[in-house]
Amino acid sequence: SAVISQKPSRDICQRGTSLTIQCQVDSQVTMMFWYRQQPGQSLTLIATANQGSEATYESGFVIDKFPISRPNLTFSTLTVSNMSPEDSSIYLCSQRNLRTDTQYFGPGTRLTVL
Amino acid sequence: GIQVEQSPPDLILQEGANSTLRCNFSDSVNNLQWFHQNPWGQLINLFYIPSGTKQNGRLSATTVATERYSLLYISSSQTTDSGVYFCAVSYNQGGKLIFGQGTELSVKP
Repeated sequence: SAVISQKPSRDICQRGTSLTIQCQVDSQVTMMFWYRQQPGQSLTLIATANQGSEATYESGFVIDKFPISRPNLTFSTLTVSNMSPEDSSIYLCSQRNLRTDTQYFGPGTRLTVL
Repeated sequence: GIQVEQSPPDLILQEGANSTLRCNFSDSVNNLQWFHQNPWGQLINLFYIPSGTKQNGRLSATTVATERYSLLYISSSQTTDSGVYFCAVSYNQGGKLIFGQGTELSVKP
């Protein structure tokens, strides 16, 4: 199992503003990922958070919109920049245990943009 | 890229009934996981099962890697089983998990 915490758990934001989501995991033997889940949809990978270097983004996601930091092995942040109502989603942090190859998810951040 | 298809897309059961959820994938995988997303949005790991069969209480799963499918069995369903069940795969060690569209299960009392 794994212990992953995220904050905030939810937020309501105005369009044009930015929100930074924090994620803390309990293991150093891990990869970290950020996913988005739009309403009624499945999970889509935004990026892999790399420790000490730039994140690896998936097609359709760019650093200017979703800057990611991972200053150490157990902590990462995702910023949703210049938000619009289309950014209203659940954002989930995830860790993959490199020994067992099992992936776990945090509780998510439910974001509403007005 | 690899495609993951889940069926059925939704399912309504009476409490106590059994069900089988299916996950088909289009290429060889070395990681397959089943998750349950509860009504509050939390994703719970059910099984890590790239091949073979596992059981955990009323739930069991079987993956036939050579035929590129996995099945999740729920027996004696309870209302707390309601939610969305996701299958996710990756095809390389440490690689990204690709999710299916999910099966939404509703168990009625």
